[in-house]
Amino acid sequence: GQQLNQSPQSMFIQEGEDVSMNCTSSSIFNTWLWYKQDPGEGPVLLIALYKAGELTSNGRLTAQFGITRKDSFLNISASIPSDVGIYFCAGASWGKFQFGAGTQVVVTP
Amino acid sequence: SAVISQKPSRDICQRGTSLTIQCQVDSQVTMMFWYRQQPGQSLTLIATANQGSEATYESGFVIDKFPISRPNLTFSTLTVSNMSPEDSSIYLCSVVGFRDRGNEYNEKLFFGSGTQLSVL
Repeated sequence: GQQLNQSPQSMFIQEGEDVSMNCTSSSIFNTWLWYKQDPGEGPVLLIALYKAGELTSNGRLTAQFGITRKDSFLNISASIPSDVGIYFCAGASWGKFQFGAGTQVVVTP
Repeated sequence: SAVISQKPSRDICQRGTSLTIQCQVDSQVTMMFWYRQQPGQSLTLIATANQGSEATYESGFVIDKFPISRPNLTFSTLTVSNMSPEDSSIYLCSVVGFRDRGNEYNEKLFFGSGTQLSVL
């Protein structure tokens, strides 16, 4: 199926730095979702966004639902070593889900 | 959110054999999906597991290769048949959670912990 455009593909950052990643689509969605996946595990839902323009935080994570409903971003502030992993965005509408290719985050001490 | 138990968590299998993966959810769910995630890739939908009827397969996936059962609203199995090394992937069970507030309708997808399959 069609994949969302997620960038960057990977990020190498130092502990304490902020991380930003985003997803764009040619389609509009009712919901934007952000997941984190650790090696060998299933993706875990971090943040769900329900309305265009919505800005939602979960601890050091902040995500926004773009006003056009075709994009979303995720920020991680003050990164720590356990932030390492692959982050996926997903757009959802009427039982259909599309995923980004993922952003691999590596945090160095 | 639902608690999704998937097993086995990992397996190493021989070419030509079959493996059945089980998915148990702690509550009744309407929509249940099976995904495949090949190494270093994103998630690809295999099929929608329908309770009481045949699964709905996505393009590129067929019932003979990936038979699915869904006997009730809390349980499903996916079988990877006649395996080859190309089938080495993580297989994920997932369920949909709904949020319906009148004029706002949203869905969330929750995943099991995955089955990491290696085929020799």
